[in-house]
Amino acid sequence: DGGITQSPKYLFRKEGQNVTLSCEQNLNHDAMYWYRQDPGQGLRLIYYSQIVNDFQKGDIAEGYSVSREKKESFPLTVTSAQKNPTAFYLCASSIVSGAEQFFGPGTRLTVL
Amino acid sequence: AQKITQTQPGMFVQEKEAVTLDCTYDTSDQSYGLFWYKQPSSGEMIFLIYQGSYDEQNATEGRYSLNFQKARKSANLVISASQLGDSAMYFCAERHSGAGSYQLTFGKGTKLSVIP
Repeated sequence: DGGITQSPKYLFRKEGQNVTLSCEQNLNHDAMYWYRQDPGQGLRLIYYSQIVNDFQKGDIAEGYSVSREKKESFPLTVTSAQKNPTAFYLCASSIVSGAEQFFGPGTRLTVL
Repeated sequence: AQKITQTQPGMFVQEKEAVTLDCTYDTSDQSYGLFWYKQPSSGEMIFLIYQGSYDEQNATEGRYSLNFQKARKSANLVISASQLGDSAMYFCAERHSGAGSYQLTFGKGTKLSVIP
């Protein structure tokens, strides 16, 4: 089955710790995206990548970092510099930038 | 900056009835696209329908149709024959270009509840 996987579904971390969220796709899509969703809000773009070894900042990149070393993988690191990291994080991919995006199941991060 | 407005935080509809979810957008781009996504309580975003700014006909996908009024900058989603499984959050999004790529800007969503 083709799709996007995110793990884990729930993640708890202590304040001040970096944490990495996993995102893997087997759809052979070039573009991948990370979004953050807060309660009662829409999605906000954190980072996106149009192609391997390339990525750009989205609207709320501060306190986050990404890498795109493989086409299938686009991990997101939430660093201790992110002031309010507790949120629902969604990863998406599209065949190319601008095409419809397919989403993973999301990771709910809680920082204690 | 692009802005998407969904003015209905919550909507109720009777099962088997049709419902319209509103979406207005604010863009100066000539070429853009509009998407609707459904988010059930599980959290995953499900793509429903797409309308390109140059498409002359309204998009349709099964029970979903998009009422596209370009001059008014609105792209309302119409769900016909509502089902209990349609209860979810619905998000409108606009695709716009910038820095050599395309990005989506999402509205804050409308929570639809289907009543038996």
